[in-house]
Amino acid sequence: DAGVIQSPRHEVTEMGQEVTLRCKPISGHDYLFWYRQTMMRGLELLIYFNNNVPIDDSGMPEDRFSAKMPNASFSTLKIQPSEPRDSAVYFCASSSNHAVLAKNIQYFGAGTRLSVL
Amino acid sequence: AQSVAQPEDQVNVAEGNPLTVKCTYSVSGNPYLFWYVQYPNRGLQFLLKYITGDNLVKGSYGFEAEFNKSQTSFHLKKPSALVSDSALYFCAVRDRGSARQLTFGSGTQLTVLP
Repeated sequence: DAGVIQSPRHEVTEMGQEVTLRCKPISGHDYLFWYRQTMMRGLELLIYFNNNVPIDDSGMPEDRFSAKMPNASFSTLKIQPSEPRDSAVYFCASSSNHAVLAKNIQYFGAGTRLSVL
Repeated sequence: AQSVAQPEDQVNVAEGNPLTVKCTYSVSGNPYLFWYVQYPNRGLQFLLKYITGDNLVKGSYGFEAEFNKSQTSFHLKKPSALVSDSALYFCAVRDRGSARQLTFGSGTQLTVLP
């Protein structure tokens, strides 16, 4: 398996623009997580899904942030409108509730580095 | 509520010497504990986990960690450090009885000096 795939790797945009980050989880994984990493706040969980259903979105900072998972192989995190303070690295991770040895392990994508000017 | 503390932002160690990266946790029930490593411009990679059983857990790249329930600690160790071990290390915890999400520590930057 290619692992968790995120796109784009880098995104530079201007304040006020809409930003969409994409994630393809590992095939067969039933949990998907979105994290944000900054120097000031460290690694923060934004939202997670189980079987495509959002379970906990309490980490989503504002209504400008939204996440969807239309099917088991794809998720998006959208920021509209974007602001400079949204600049961070956004990670997607997936895990399986069924794997015997890998249960509870989250596998991370390489991240999307977002810069909002 | 669950929380993790990594008391050291930075750990420096000479190559060949043993290394320890500290982690303490707080959960209301029994914990699942994890260590992840992050190399520059990369995502987090799983190193090892404690779920149940033997308190000494062995993981990737020669790392190990010891679960100590009385001290609520899960320190990461390696007998002989390599320069290539230099990276950012995260401890994470999940309460066994709670929902799926992990709580991560603030991270410890390990630098192994040649």
